[in-house]
Amino acid sequence: ETGVTQTPRHLVMGMTNKKSLKCEQHLGHNAMYWYKQSAKKPLELMFVYSLEERVENNSVPSRFSPECPNSSHLFLHLHTLQPEDSALYLCASSQEGNMNTEAFFGQGTRLTVV
Amino acid sequence: AQTVTQSQPEMSVQEAETVTLSCTYDTSESNYYLFWYKQPPSRQMILVIRQEAYKQQNATENRFSVNFQKAAKSFSLKISDSQLGDTAMYFCAFWVIGSGYALNFGKGTSLLVTP
Repeated sequence: ETGVTQTPRHLVMGMTNKKSLKCEQHLGHNAMYWYKQSAKKPLELMFVYSLEERVENNSVPSRFSPECPNSSHLFLHLHTLQPEDSALYLCASSQEGNMNTEAFFGQGTRLTVV
Repeated sequence: AQTVTQSQPEMSVQEAETVTLSCTYDTSESNYYLFWYKQPPSRQMILVIRQEAYKQQNATENRFSVNFQKAAKSFSLKISDSQLGDTAMYFCAFWVIGSGYALNFGKGTSLLVTP
């Protein structure tokens, strides 16, 4: 347990559903990240929030919508997903958005889109 | 483009033996950090070791050490006295100072430690 908690651990959703992934950290970090991990591909950075403000959005389709209501919580809202969106979604946090410091990861949400 | 290549998709080693995982990267920058992350079956990514590019001395953390060759852009991880709990995916990554927030990850090497 590294202090970053993601829920749910597993999620199966239809292409017309709307669901949300939740990430919570109580490490006092002020930067939070969403990564997508697909089989046989490098981790892809999706979104970055620093001091609750979105600072990076790496050409992610609009069917993924992040929300950061405070420095401890991060959400990823999902709607009308495609089967190719099935992947492990990892949340991470770090201090001050500096990647030279250690980024702490959650255990991920395994998402299956059917 | 900044890329990371891990040329060994899968490796295995016997308990108590030593194994080396390879990693090469490509960047035109000179100031960056290199990392090895471990992802066990629990899926939680854990930082194993970190190296600052401006340091010539190779980083070590207990049984884990790196061989950092800056000119060759190589950053291999050596695991000594392998333990069953070392079974995991290992990801090499680097971050260029001032490049934003993205860690550049490789595709990973799956390491199996056998009794």
